[in-house]
Amino acid sequence: EAQVTQNPRYLITVTGKKLTVTCSQNMNHEYMSWYRQDPGLGLRQIYYSMNVEVTDKGDVPEGYKVSRKEKRNFPLILESPSPNQTSLYFCASSGTGTGSVEQYFGPGTRLTVT
Amino acid sequence: AQKVTQAQTEISVVEKEDVTLDCVYETRDTTYYLFWYKQPPSGELVFLIRRNSFDEQNEISGRYSWNFQKSTSSFNFTITASQVVDSAVYFCALSEIQGGKLIFGQGTELSVKP
Repeated sequence: EAQVTQNPRYLITVTGKKLTVTCSQNMNHEYMSWYRQDPGLGLRQIYYSMNVEVTDKGDVPEGYKVSRKEKRNFPLILESPSPNQTSLYFCASSGTGTGSVEQYFGPGTRLTVT
Repeated sequence: AQKVTQAQTEISVVEKEDVTLDCVYETRDTTYYLFWYKQPPSGELVFLIRRNSFDEQNEISGRYSWNFQKSTSSFNFTITASQVVDSAVYFCALSEIQGGKLIFGQGTELSVKP
């Protein structure tokens, strides 16, 4: 089954404790990205990657890191989480051909930082 | 600048009613992509449809239909004979690059009552 997976689905952590949210896709997609969803602010892009070893900042990159060592994986790293990073996080992937530009989203990771 | 506006924050209908969700977009590009996503109460983001800027053909899929009009920069979504399972938040989104960043509207929360 074609899908984007994220882990963990739910996470409660404390300020300053480094964490990684994993994202993996099995559709051989070149493009992957991370979004966060917050009430009143909607969905905003954090980072994206056009292909392996190519990453770039989205609209709200502060406090986050990413890496793209393999095509299928795109982990999101919070080196020192803070309460304002409490949010619902989505990973997404898509192809880059004209017929395959829709982004497919993972199930989401609900993060709470206390 | 790119922008997507979903003026209807919440809509409430009774089962079997037809309902139209409005979406108006702004972009300077001549080539762009429009999408609708559904976010049910469980939280995941489900891709519904994509439209390319060069394809104004309307589409029908079962009870769902989409009306794309470049002249008014609108991409409206109609659900015919709504059902309780249609209750969700619906997002309209715009991308100016194949597989690129999605600009989301603020979403319309649809509540279908039995």
